[in-house]
Amino acid sequence: DTAVSQTPKYLVTQMGNDKSIKCEQNLGHDTMYWYKQDSKKFLKIMFSYNNKELIINETVPNRFSPKSPDKAHLNLHINSLELGDSAVYFCASSHHPPYEQYFGPGTRLTVT
Amino acid sequence: AQSVTQLGSHVSVSEGALVLLRCNYSSSVPPYLFWYVQYPNQGLQLLLKYTSAATLVKGINGFEAEFKKSETSFHLTKPSAHMSDAAEYFCAVAFSRGGADGLTFGKGTHLIIQP
Repeated sequence: DTAVSQTPKYLVTQMGNDKSIKCEQNLGHDTMYWYKQDSKKFLKIMFSYNNKELIINETVPNRFSPKSPDKAHLNLHINSLELGDSAVYFCASSHHPPYEQYFGPGTRLTVT
Repeated sequence: AQSVTQLGSHVSVSEGALVLLRCNYSSSVPPYLFWYVQYPNQGLQLLLKYTSAATLVKGINGFEAEFKKSETSFHLTKPSAHMSDAAEYFCAVAFSRGGADGLTFGKGTHLIIQP
């Protein structure tokens, strides 16, 4: 069984569209995250959800909105997509300390 | 605020040689530190972690790292490189705010293994 899964793996869309990326974890973790990896492979946290409550929003544009229907899922909705949103988006999950996070396989988003 | 610096965006070693990837951290509290590996077109896999227990931490695939508080370092080593070790390696430090935690990553080191 895959511990952290994401769908889709690839997403190609046009500017201005709205899209969603889904994430599910079967590890029983209570915190889930979204990270963005840019073209230079730099990873930066976008959101953290703990017990269905948004805890961290790292100055991400409000076009991005995480939605957590339950502890095992954290979806990422993106409105009005822009060229600069092209990146690989990773979902991750963890328990509380010692903070080790387990990552999904990533979703490569390409905005044309 | 926590931060991580990885020295060397690219490191090239010969197969069978020692691998040394450098990581220095900055943290206002005792840090939790991690090394992750990313193979092409894949997610991040945890190699090892430091959580204030033993300062020498052993991980998967023969990697280990030593936490040195005096040097604020957490360098990753492997005695003998294998072709399959070619990948991107990320050092990360944990931070905690408002009841949840996240990771601050270094910029990564691309490890190249020469045959």
